[in-house]
Amino acid sequence: QKEVEQNSGPLSVPEGAIASLNCTYSDRGSQSFFWYRQYSGKSPELIMFIYSNGDKEDGRFTAQLNKASQYVSLLIRDSQPSDSATYLCAVSGGGADGLTFGKGTHLIIQP
Amino acid sequence: SQTIHQWPATLVQPVGSPLSLECTVEGTSNPNLYWYRQAAGRGLQLLFYSVGIGQISSEVPQNLSASRPQDRQFILSSKKLLLSDSGFYLCAWSVVAKAFNEQFFGPGTRLTVL
Repeated sequence: QKEVEQNSGPLSVPEGAIASLNCTYSDRGSQSFFWYRQYSGKSPELIMFIYSNGDKEDGRFTAQLNKASQYVSLLIRDSQPSDSATYLCAVSGGGADGLTFGKGTHLIIQP
Repeated sequence: SQTIHQWPATLVQPVGSPLSLECTVEGTSNPNLYWYRQAAGRGLQLLFYSVGIGQISSEVPQNLSASRPQDRQFILSSKKLLLSDSGFYLCAWSVVAKAFNEQFFGPGTRLTVL
């Protein structure tokens, strides 16, 4: 069974610092990897995805993928209080299959 | 641009009652459609997905069913609700032609079964 593991937190980070969120996955056949942000009571919002080893940057966000270690991470630079949310890691085996999600990491940015 | 709608937004139902949740997508044709449930402490769980009209794949055996009567409409149903069916039900869509299956979620339906 495919599994995605995340530290549930809460992860507390001072405003302006770098927040680092981590995720491991069990299925070596996973093709693409996603980070979603979910505010309390709201639906998940796609932040970014990555499919090849290395780094992918989008504004203040950087996703990192290491397929050999089955490890995905999300870095948030210059953290803002509005970044406080639960961050969900998800993986896809390719095609139209649904995503397998981790339970999420609760991030708190302290002003 | 694409928009996804779900209704109702919230629902309180007694055990044993039927259920019908609806999801529609605007601004795209022939999307892949998905139903997920997010229950307390369990994370997002895929329930059903569909690649076309009348085509439904079930991921988890349960007392729920799904149907896709039109290209951009996806319906989640139950004949008799259980307490364990409580949760946040999310519909999502993705573009068939894209290789990486980015999925976009609707606003969700919060279901409480009493």
